[in-house]
Amino acid sequence: ETGVTQTPRHLVMGMTNKKSLKCEQHLGHNAMYWYKQSAKKPLELMFVYSLEERVENNSVPSRFSPECPNSSHLFLHLHTLQPEDSALYLCASSDRGLAGETQYFGPGTRLLVL
Amino acid sequence: SQQGEEDPQALSIQEGENATMNCSYKTSINNLQWYRQNSGRGLVHLILIRSNEREKHSGRLRVTLDTSKKSSSLLITASRAADTASYFCATKSREDSSYKLIFGSGTRLLVRP
Repeated sequence: ETGVTQTPRHLVMGMTNKKSLKCEQHLGHNAMYWYKQSAKKPLELMFVYSLEERVENNSVPSRFSPECPNSSHLFLHLHTLQPEDSALYLCASSDRGLAGETQYFGPGTRLLVL
Repeated sequence: SQQGEEDPQALSIQEGENATMNCSYKTSINNLQWYRQNSGRGLVHLILIRSNEREKHSGRLRVTLDTSKKSSSLLITASRAADTASYFCATKSREDSSYKLIFGSGTRLLVRP
């Protein structure tokens, strides 16, 4: 256990559905990240939050909408997704704000868009 | 441009043998990290080496860094079946924002019992 939990672990949704992914960290960190991991591709950084403020939006389509209500929780709201959005979505957190060197990852949400 | 390319993409060895994975990168870095990922799970940090370090050990892991060649290697000695996983290098660039880690595509290691 890394101290970062993600729910749900698996999600199947249609292209017209709206769903949310949740991430919670119990490490007292103040920076949180969303990554997308597709087959045979490097991890793609999607969003970064530091002290609940979004500091990075890596050209992610607007059908992905992040929310960080406090330093322990991070959400990724999904709507009208495409089949190519099927992937493993990983949340991570780090210490010392944006200068944190090591990131701690959750187990991921495996998303399948039909 | 892609930072952190691992080589080989896949590696199959017998239990007890050593496994060596390599990582190359393009820009100046602050540090380089290795992570491990079991199938369909999150990444787990293994070891971090700073740009002013050349070698680091942690248990059965040995990491080297050659900044002149912009490359790093991860050696796992006396491998075990439980070492079967994907291994990723990640670099923290001096040029990008300090929070960014750039990951490679990974090396899939299979350790046969």
